[in-house]
Amino acid sequence: DAGVIQSPRHEVTEMGQEVTLRCKPISGHDYLFWYRQTMMRGLELLIYFNNNVPIDDSGMPEDRFSAKMPNASFSTLKIQPSEPRDSAVYFCASSLGTDNQPQHFGDGTRLSIL
Amino acid sequence: AQSVTQLDSQVPVFEEAPVELRCNYSSSVSVYLFWYVQYPNQGLQLLLKYLSGSTLVKGINGFEAEFNKSQTSFHLRKPSVHISDTAEYFCAVSEKEDTGGFKTIFGAGTRLFVKA
Repeated sequence: DAGVIQSPRHEVTEMGQEVTLRCKPISGHDYLFWYRQTMMRGLELLIYFNNNVPIDDSGMPEDRFSAKMPNASFSTLKIQPSEPRDSAVYFCASSLGTDNQPQHFGDGTRLSIL
Repeated sequence: AQSVTQLDSQVPVFEEAPVELRCNYSSSVSVYLFWYVQYPNQGLQLLLKYLSGSTLVKGINGFEAEFNKSQTSFHLRKPSVHISDTAEYFCAVSEKEDTGGFKTIFGAGTRLFVKA
């Protein structure tokens, strides 16, 4: 069974450019989460979806960040325009249903904004 | 509002020694508790979880954790660590919200260094 798949694994781009991170959750999972991890702030929840609908986006830092889930097997996190302080590792995770189910994480996208 | 506190940011330990990574939480309702491990350049992986029943939970790689409701703790232990256990460990708490949805809060993480 394939796990959560994220692409790209690494992204280096110049500030001001648009960045799109992609995620394919585990088939059948109805929750999808986007996290950001930095040394300074640790693991931060940005947004999560249930059945493709955004439920809580209070962790999205600014309007430059947006996330979509057009179908059950794909989600994107977009940053436009990007800034050096957006440099971090971004993780996608998915889970099945209720609160007693663990989250399954992808291997992350390491983003560097120059 | 729930919170998760991992009391140690870093824990150095010698190989084959025992280790305990501490986790305390605050919540006014029943919770579900998890420990995750993150190896370098990887995502988090589930080590073990407490849902209900026996307060001593066994996980993968020889780890176990004990749920203590009165002390609101869920400490992770291993009797003898290996070099390969060097990683970051996250405690997480999940509870149902009034809206019917659920929210999982992760602790700040504890970096375990196992020395030869």
